[in-house]
Amino acid sequence: AQTVTQSQPEMSVQEAETVTLSCTYDTSESDYYLFWYKQPPSRQMILVIRQEAYKQQNATENRFSVNFQKAAKSFSLKISDSQLGDAAMYFCAYRRGRDDKIIFGKGTRLHILP
Amino acid sequence: DSGVTQTPKHLITATGQRVTLRCSPRSGDLSVYWYQQSLDQGLQFLIQYYNGEERAKGNILERFSAQQFPDLHSELNLSSLELGDSALYFCASSVWDGGEKLFFGSGTQLSVL
Repeated sequence: AQTVTQSQPEMSVQEAETVTLSCTYDTSESDYYLFWYKQPPSRQMILVIRQEAYKQQNATENRFSVNFQKAAKSFSLKISDSQLGDAAMYFCAYRRGRDDKIIFGKGTRLHILP
Repeated sequence: DSGVTQTPKHLITATGQRVTLRCSPRSGDLSVYWYQQSLDQGLQFLIQYYNGEERAKGNILERFSAQQFPDLHSELNLSSLELGDSALYFCASSVWDGGEKLFFGSGTQLSVL
């Protein structure tokens, strides 16, 4: 069965600094999708970034980028120039294929220090 | 706004009762997913429907059931409620745009007293 592990329950970073959130996953599939979702205090789940496993290039969305290491089954999220609005719970997620269910990690709570 | 609508936003009820949570997916999205988020279990996948048919089942209790109607809205029915059923219930729908995107509703916070 596929699993997603986030080993950092909580992290803190100074405003304007860079922080990296870790995620590892387990799968026997060769093609799949990976995601980072953000859940601010409003509880809304917001897609931050996604990565298709067949793509070698790491996904980037403005200040958010990933380090996708397929062989190591690692998918970390880097947030550059951290802002107060980045404070939230971040979930790493895995999806085997199109229209398949998404499996989430337990989450990492990120605090931004002013 | 994700385009996925969930009602009600909050629900307070007593043990042993039955409630229905409603979800309207984004226009054109055929898939609906239900998730339960609790403090100790994180986000747990409950069930998925695709165009009216059950596609996948996760950790859904027998006391819980769901369906997707011809207009693609979905309902999650929770019966014989227990204190431990208190959680945030999310609905999500997905679209394929050359890549995969899952959009979540704002959730229904269920409190069982």
